[in-house]
Amino acid sequence: QVQLQESGPGLVEPSGTLSLICAVSGDFVSSDTWWSWVRQSPGQGLEWIGEIYYGGSTNYNPSLRSRVSISADKSKNQISLKLSSVTAADTAVYFCARGNDYKWDYWGQGTLVTVSS
Amino acid sequence: QSALTQPASVSGSPGQSITISCTGISSDRGGYNYVSWYRHHPGKAPQLLIYAVSNRPSGVSYRFSGSKSGSTASLTISGLQAEDEADYYCSSYGSGHFYVFGSGTRVTV
Repeated sequence: QVQLQESGPGLVEPSGTLSLICAVSGDFVSSDTWWSWVRQSPGQGLEWIGEIYYGGSTNYNPSLRSRVSISADKSKNQISLKLSSVTAADTAVYFCARGNDYKWDYWGQGTLVTVSS
Repeated sequence: QSALTQPASVSGSPGQSITISCTGISSDRGGYNYVSWYRHHPGKAPQLLIYAVSNRPSGVSYRFSGSKSGSTASLTISGLQAEDEADYYCSSYGSGHFYVFGSGTRVTV
C-alpha cells in the first residue's frame, strides 16, 4: 500500500521560503511515475503546484513557476517542495500525490502552512 | 488556463442520483480525455473516483460514473449515501504539461 506523509513548518514568515517534505512508503520516488504537489487555500478549491518525474524532469503551474522548486531525494525516498517569496495568499493545506497516467491515485493527508509574522 | 467550472453545491436525498458538471475542458491534443474526479472529505486525503473520463479504479463503488460531452465532463453518483457528503473536484490535463482543477462542488445528502 502506497502511503504519503507531508511534513514541514506550520508557520512561515512573509517573504520567506516555504519548505515541505513528502515521505513516500510502498513505492519508490525513483519509479516510473510522477510525484505532484497540490494545495488548497482556506475556503478555496484545489490548485496544482507542480510535479517531478523520477528522471528529474519537472513541470510547474505557470502561475507559480517563478517561485517554486520540486526535487526528489532517492536515498531518503522523499519529495520536497520549496516556494519562495511567500505571502498570505500562500497559506494553504499542501498535499503530495502520486501521479499515474494523468491521474493521482494516492494522496497524503496534507499539512497546513500559515504565512504570517 | 483558468479553473474548470463546477456548480458550487448539489444536494440530494439518500438513494437518489445526482450529477456534477465540469465545464471548460480543453480540446488541446493530449488533454481532452484526461479528465479525473476526486472526492475530498475535509481533513482527509482526496480519493480518486474516476480517471480518463469514465474509468473507475478498482475498489471504487459502481455508484460513481463519469462521462463527457464536448467541453463538459460529468460525474454521476447513484444511490446517494451519507458518506457521499463531501467536496468533489474534476481535473483535466492541458497542453503545456500542467493540470487544472475544477472549482469544486459541495455535495449535501
